[in-house]
Amino acid sequence: AQKITQTQPGMFVQEKEAVTLDCTYDTSDPSYGLFWYKQPSSGEMIFLIYQGSYDQQNATEGRYSLNFQKARKSANLVISASQLGDSAMYFCAMMGSYNFNKFYFGSGTKLNVKP
Amino acid sequence: NAGVTQTPKFRVLKTGQSMTLLCAQDMNHEYMYWYRQDPGMGLRLIHYSVGEGTTAKGEVPDGYNVSRLKKQNFLLGLESAAPSQTSVYFCASSNDGSSYEQYFGPGTRLTVT
Repeated sequence: AQKITQTQPGMFVQEKEAVTLDCTYDTSDPSYGLFWYKQPSSGEMIFLIYQGSYDQQNATEGRYSLNFQKARKSANLVISASQLGDSAMYFCAMMGSYNFNKFYFGSGTKLNVKP
Repeated sequence: NAGVTQTPKFRVLKTGQSMTLLCAQDMNHEYMYWYRQDPGMGLRLIHYSVGEGTTAKGEVPDGYNVSRLKKQNFLLGLESAAPSQTSVYFCASSNDGSSYEQYFGPGTRLTVT
């Protein structure tokens, strides 16, 4: 079974500073994918970044990077130079190699960016 | 391209009533999914489909039925709504089983009184 854990229900960060959102996972699948989605107050789910379990380098997408530590089973999202528009819920998700069709989501972290 | 659309956006039902949520995608995606999101929780998979005419159960399928008669549409049905089904429902689609991104609809907020 897959499990995603996000232990930070809410976080604050000062505008222009970097912030790390934690995500740990548990799976017995030999390969898997890890994702981060953003959900603003308007409710839509926005894909941010993807990391494959066999990728040699950590994924980066603009101001987003994924700090992937396979031995620790962690996939933390790092947002650099936070902006007010980054205030939102952030969800970590996983898809296992035996279940390409199924995503498992964590409970989310509410990020508030302060001016 | 409209992407993934959901109808309706909001709905209030009384206990025992039935309704159908419609999800439509115009990206010719094979895979479609229905999730529910409850306060303080992430999304949980209700049912999914790997192609026209196919459906399968997800993590929390009880009380729901689905149909995929056309590739572009995925319907979620509640036969006898219960207050525990008050939630926000999201539909998503992806190109195939190895696609690493799911495209989400805007969500449907359902309240069962």
